[in-house]
Amino acid sequence: DSGVTQTPKHLITATGQRVTLRCSPRSGDLSVYWYQQSLDQGLQFLIQYYNGEERAKGNILERFSAQQFPDLHSELNLSSLELGDSALYFCASSVAGAPYNEQFFGPGTRLTVL
Amino acid sequence: AQTVTQSQPEMSVQEAETVTLSCTYDTSENNYYLFWYKQPPSRQMILVIRQEAYKQQNATENRFSVNFQKAAKSFSLKISDSQLGDTAMYFCAFILSGTYKYIFGTGTRLKVLA
Repeated sequence: DSGVTQTPKHLITATGQRVTLRCSPRSGDLSVYWYQQSLDQGLQFLIQYYNGEERAKGNILERFSAQQFPDLHSELNLSSLELGDSALYFCASSVAGAPYNEQFFGPGTRLTVL
Repeated sequence: AQTVTQSQPEMSVQEAETVTLSCTYDTSENNYYLFWYKQPPSRQMILVIRQEAYKQQNATENRFSVNFQKAAKSFSLKISDSQLGDTAMYFCAFILSGTYKYIFGTGTRLKVLA
């Protein structure tokens, strides 16, 4: 158990819908990262927050947005869902925001868009 | 743009034997970090080992070691005395110093045979 929690574990929804994925980092970690893991594209970095501020953006679609709240939990919002958004979404946290810091991953949320 | 290539989609090894997973990357920069992450069937991503590019000495963590060849842009992972619990997907990852965009390879699925 990494100490990072993600809810829900599974989510099934329809195209065009909007969902929110939630992540609670390890106690004391200030940085949160979001990743998308799909069968055909491997693990893709989406976005990073550090102490409430966006720090880096990867391959995140405009339909997707995220935020980190004062209590350091983070939410990833996915809207206008498409079939291709079906994937495993991971959240990770690290104590600081430096690139070499070890990231601790949550168990993931499996999103299925029908 | 930086890329990470794992040319072995699947590998297998007998228990107690040694196996090497390959990873090559492409960058014109000099300062970066490299990582190997393990994803067992539980889906939890776990850091196996990391290497700072400025360090010539290869990183070692118990049965896991890397062969870092900076000029060749190669970062292979050697697993000694393979155990059944090593069965997992292994991802090589790269990040430029001063940035926060992690780039992952497509992974190598390793199966340790009894």
